[in-house]
Amino acid sequence: EVQLVESGGGLVQPGGSLRLSCVVSGFIVSNNDMTWVRQAPGKGLEWVSLLSYVERTQYADSVRGRFTISRHKSDNILYLQMSSLRPEDTAVYYCARERDEHFFDYWGQGTLVTVSA
Amino acid sequence: QSALTQPPSASGSPGQSVTISCTGTSSDIGRYNYVSWYQQYPGKAPKLLIYEVTYRPSGVPDRFSGSKSDTTASLTVSGLQAEDEADYYCSAYAGINHVLFGGGTKVTVL
Repeated sequence: EVQLVESGGGLVQPGGSLRLSCVVSGFIVSNNDMTWVRQAPGKGLEWVSLLSYVERTQYADSVRGRFTISRHKSDNILYLQMSSLRPEDTAVYYCARERDEHFFDYWGQGTLVTVSA
Repeated sequence: QSALTQPPSASGSPGQSVTISCTGTSSDIGRYNYVSWYQQYPGKAPKLLIYEVTYRPSGVPDRFSGSKSDTTASLTVSGLQAEDEADYYCSAYAGINHVLFGGGTKVTVL
């Protein structure tokens, strides 16, 4: 059975940092393209970042230079290191597997990040 | 780049059909057949309904169907059921901007 479980969310002050984790079971993270998608409270989905199986990274303009996506190969974990956080980064962050045809077939349950003083 | 455009709401009675549009540009929906649709219940993660415009993953009822014309994609839910009341999001590959999502459509079953 495939499972993606995010953790690491919480309340952080503007300018602060946070690292999100996504523990995956049922497939190998390093053999797949993995993505972070976020959803601000009451709002729609927003693609945040991609880590391809060949370790190519891509970021949305809104987070480029502040967020870093990475993975731990042996532990089968996807990470999102977030720094210089802003109130507009407040959202539920989902990790998901992205297929070659750019759709997301497996999603985690999400972890809430709140940026507030 | 702006999100894809969806109507904020749609509704229908049980048994009826409802169609949700998703409008993009020649750089995303109009260029690639990489349009997908997701269903989301409150407080839950999105669930894949349609990929590559028309394909359904295993387990998704055939009441859900997708199509595309020029820069607009559509999701049709036929034979509407109470359990179909949810938010629906379209997504499209956009090249350099990677993936765009629509703003979401809340479907109400009357």
